[in-house]
Amino acid sequence: QSVLTQPPSVSAAPGQKVTISCSGSSSNIGNNYVSWYQQLPGTAPKLLIYDNNKRPSGIPDRFSGSKSGTSATLGITGLQTGDEADYYCGTWDSSLSVGVFGGGTKLTVL
Amino acid sequence: QEQLVESGGGVVQLGRSLRLSCAASGFSFSRYAMYWVRQAPGKGLEWVAVMSYDGSNKYYADSVKGRFTISRDNSKNTLYLQMNSLRAEDTAVYYCARDTRDYNYGYGIDYWGQGTLVTVSS
Repeated sequence: QSVLTQPPSVSAAPGQKVTISCSGSSSNIGNNYVSWYQQLPGTAPKLLIYDNNKRPSGIPDRFSGSKSGTSATLGITGLQTGDEADYYCGTWDSSLSVGVFGGGTKLTVL
Repeated sequence: QEQLVESGGGVVQLGRSLRLSCAASGFSFSRYAMYWVRQAPGKGLEWVAVMSYDGSNKYYADSVKGRFTISRDNSKNTLYLQMNSLRAEDTAVYYCARDTRDYNYGYGIDYWGQGTLVTVSS
């Protein structure tokens, strides 16, 4: 049971938009920055979004992040087959003094 | 460019010990907090431990507390994870990773190593 809750899977057609939610509490998402990671099969995770809504250099603006209260959302527009991957949210939990991840969401581009 | 290379993984018997290493290059290692994150086969990411840039602060997941020890040698640009009393559920790919911000921790991870597989067998 992960501290952060994500839907196990989402799907959409190529070219469409999808959102992935990440729900937490005041001790984690509510008072800390959220990051999002993409993990393609057989590879290490890759940072997509940090500080709730910032993109590292090289990440296309098709990827966006937002946070409201104790929830965060990753948005992906103009879906491509290459976006098929597992997506994880992560943050710090100030009460537990540990890092926490969501359980991951598998994106299928139909 | 920033690079993290883990080593030390392998097959180990239940209850035994193993030490992982992570060699960092391409950035000022001594300025960044460093993490270990693991992923069991077919499972999601699990945060394991973090050590602050100067080694003064370290935190562990409950699942490894008292058995694993994170450490670093800033003179060698190397991060370590000493794993004792290994259990079957410790079987995973272990990733070394860097915080997004220098002189801080808990902000996210911007660079990951390729991972090293630890298999605990009976």
